[in-house]
This record gives sequence, C-alpha cells and structure tokens, in this order.
Amino acid sequence: DIQMTQSPASLSASLGETVTIQCQASEDIYSGLAWYQQKPGKSPQLLIYGASSLQDGVPSRFSGSGSGTQYSLKISSMQTEDEGVYFCQQGLKYPWTFGGGTKLELK
Amino acid sequence: QVQLKESGPGLVQPSETLSLTCTVSGFSLTSYSVSWVRQPSGKGPEWMGRMWYDGDTAYNSALKSRLSISRDTSKNQVFLKMNSLQTDDTGTYYCTRDLNWGGYFDYWGQGVMVTVSS
Repeated sequence: DIQMTQSPASLSASLGETVTIQCQASEDIYSGLAWYQQKPGKSPQLLIYGASSLQDGVPSRFSGSGSGTQYSLKISSMQTEDEGVYFCQQGLKYPWTFGGGTKLELK
Repeated sequence: QVQLKESGPGLVQPSETLSLTCTVSGFSLTSYSVSWVRQPSGKGPEWMGRMWYDGDTAYNSALKSRLSISRDTSKNQVFLKMNSLQTDDTGTYYCTRDLNWGGYFDYWGQGVMVTVSS
C-alpha cells in the first residue's frame, strides 16, 4: 500500500497569514493526490484533486502543487473558517490511502 | 442537489456482521461510483471499497475477506456488509460519491457512528 505522511501534525496561523501543509507519498503517485478539509463533527470536504485542480465552490485562496512523491497545500490568506483538519489522499492506486491529518488552528 | 445518507445500527457485538445502507439522491448510481470510507475517532480516513457505476466492485485488500458491497439501483441504495467485527472496527462510516476521474470523493454523507462492543 502507498503510505501518505503529512507534516506538520498541527500548526497555528494568524488571520491573513500564508499556510503551507506538506504531504509525502511512499512512491511516485503521478499527481494523483487530493486534499480534504474536515471541521469538528462534520464530513470531509474535497478541496483539491489531481494535485492542483480546485474543486467547484472552493475559495481561490486554496491551491495545490507538487509532483512525484512531494505535494503541498497552500492557503494564501488564513481566514477564521479555515480552521480544521486537513487530509491528503492518493487516488492513483488501490487501496486509496489517506494521510494522518494536519490540524490547523487560528492563532 | 446531491445527497447521500447512511443508515444502520450504532452498536454491533464483536464477531457480528455490520450492515449499512447508503441512500442517494440528486444523481444516478449508473452514472457515478460510490465508495465507503470509515474513520476511527481522531484518525485519518480509510477507504473500504467502491461500487462502480457499471456494477463492478473494488475492495481494500485489508478488508476484502470480510467485506461485501452491493446496490439496488431502483431504490438508489448502496449496501455495505462486513463480518467478524472487532473493536478496532469502531468509527464513523461514510458513503461518498466519487469523481468520474481518479479515486477522489466529491460528496460525502453525514456519516454513521458504529461502535463495536459487547
């Protein structure tokens, strides 16, 4: 199985700050990566797929990049509603696998 | 609009079988695939398996011996059955609508909490 490792496990950011979350795959996943946001007590929400494609309705301050085994999610200007846990997920090879999550809090 | 809703028992005895139903609306099961994803409390999600739009299935190899996914297109429902449940099967179980490209999940149900305990 492809292992997905996220860093950091948690971080705090001020309003307007740029935030970057990293995700490393245990093998090349050829941009087959998605990012999800999950708020407490809610279901995950798809933000990015195919490493850099923005899902409909997701604010443009979210962006994804990367290739090979290294990927990142950037929030260009932290907002209050961006607090939550972020997961990366590889959608290239069965079984599709998720990272352990990064908890983002407002400073 | 697209909606998915999971239903089933909240408590299952160890070694028993879990049966869940996902009822969908706003899209056709013959046009979109549906997956089951579970999440232990405080941990990352785990993909369990997929019912493809054409009726084919795919399973996580770690669960394949215990898991079965089926559907009834006339009722807009997808079913999950998993046997030999243990305490580490406790968590929230979601059904998802899948993007028609790659293994990604664009809509999620609200989830159903399943506790395995005697």
